[in-house]
Amino acid sequence: DAMVIQNPRYQVTQFGKPVTLSCSQTLNHNVMYWYQQKSSQAPKLLFHYYDKDFNNEADTPDNFQSRRPNTSFCFLDIRSPGLGDAAMYLCATNTPGRGNEQFFGPGTRLTVL
Amino acid sequence: SQKIEQNSEALNIQEGKTATLTCNYTNYSPAYLQWYRQDPGRGPVFLLLIRENEKEKRKERLKVTFDTTLKQSLFHITASQPADSATYLCALVAGGFKTIFGAGTRLFVKA
Repeated sequence: DAMVIQNPRYQVTQFGKPVTLSCSQTLNHNVMYWYQQKSSQAPKLLFHYYDKDFNNEADTPDNFQSRRPNTSFCFLDIRSPGLGDAAMYLCATNTPGRGNEQFFGPGTRLTVL
Repeated sequence: SQKIEQNSEALNIQEGKTATLTCNYTNYSPAYLQWYRQDPGRGPVFLLLIRENEKEKRKERLKVTFDTTLKQSLFHITASQPADSATYLCALVAGGFKTIFGAGTRLFVKA
């Protein structure tokens, strides 16, 4: 089945230690998104790619970076995680013409010690 | 500033009844409004989309209304079942590829 996959599902890192979360898709969608979601809060858009075009949200901290080496894969790099970065990180995809319907992965739960 | 409000209090209803969830927004003129379901520890799952020129949309036991004058959407689940228990997120697409999500309302359906 076509899907969005996130690895790992659970990630534990230490304060200040860089971490990379990965997302892959078999849907061949043009657009890939990264969201941060904290408990009982709305998913907050960090950035998105339309093909290779990167779009950063104005309030996304510089600590968060992203890479999209090809259509299928997208990575979220957190350069120096702080305690406030502990959250669920959601990857989503979509393609033009579908009313922006988004297909989400299962998420990666990040714990910062 | 732009804002989406969903009732933060959980909604508890009896099986078989209709659940009605509310989404209010300010300072947006969305082209689309979407509803997603999110189970604990999982990513949201798309349910329904309604366009700005549509008043109502139905899909099986789900119904969504969209009032651009009131800046409000109502999401109904008829004949609710315990399996419908989840958090339901409202989302607005204002333009381009950016979607803004609400924090969701938690629904509990008791057998």
